[in-house]
Amino acid sequence: DSGVTQTPKHLITATGQRVTLRCSPRSGDLSVYWYQQSLDQGLQFLIQYYNGEERAKGNILERFSAQQFPDLHSELNLSSLELGDSALYFCASAETYNEQFFGPGTRLTVL
Amino acid sequence: ELKVEQNPLFLSMQEGKNYTIYCNYSTTSDRLYWYRQDPGKSLESLFVLLSNGAVKQEGRLMASLDTKARLSTLHITAAVHDLSATYFCAVLSHYGGSQGNLIFGKGTKLSVKP
Repeated sequence: DSGVTQTPKHLITATGQRVTLRCSPRSGDLSVYWYQQSLDQGLQFLIQYYNGEERAKGNILERFSAQQFPDLHSELNLSSLELGDSALYFCASAETYNEQFFGPGTRLTVL
Repeated sequence: ELKVEQNPLFLSMQEGKNYTIYCNYSTTSDRLYWYRQDPGKSLESLFVLLSNGAVKQEGRLMASLDTKARLSTLHITAAVHDLSATYFCAVLSHYGGSQGNLIFGKGTKLSVKP
């Protein structure tokens, strides 16, 4: 158990819908990272937040957005969902540039 | 743009044998990480390598880093079935929009057979 929690574990929805994935980092970690893992694209960095502020962006679609709240939990919002958005979404937390600890992931299935 | 290449992508080993997974990266970085992932599960941190020449060992796994060659290796000694998993290397990016973040290789799917 890494200490990072993610909810829900599984999410099944339809194309065009919007979903929110939630992540709580390890106690004391200020950085939260979101990753997408799919069979064709592998593990891709989406976005990073540090103490409530966006720090870096990776291959995140405009339909996706995220935020980190004052209590340091983070939410990833995915809208206008497409079949290709089906993937495993991981959240990770870290102290600055140190080792990242990954949560259990949310498996999103878009039908 | 930082690129990370692992090889092989698939590895079928017999129990008791030794093998090495290679991780090459394209631009300078001083931090390299190895993770393990079991099917449908999260990523488990195995090693953090922070400097040139760093070597770390845990059980049957040993990781090393050569920053000059931009190469890390994960050596498996006397493989056992429990080591079957996908192994990822990840490199800390110091450039561009992904600065400060990890760029992952495609992973090496290891299968250890009796």
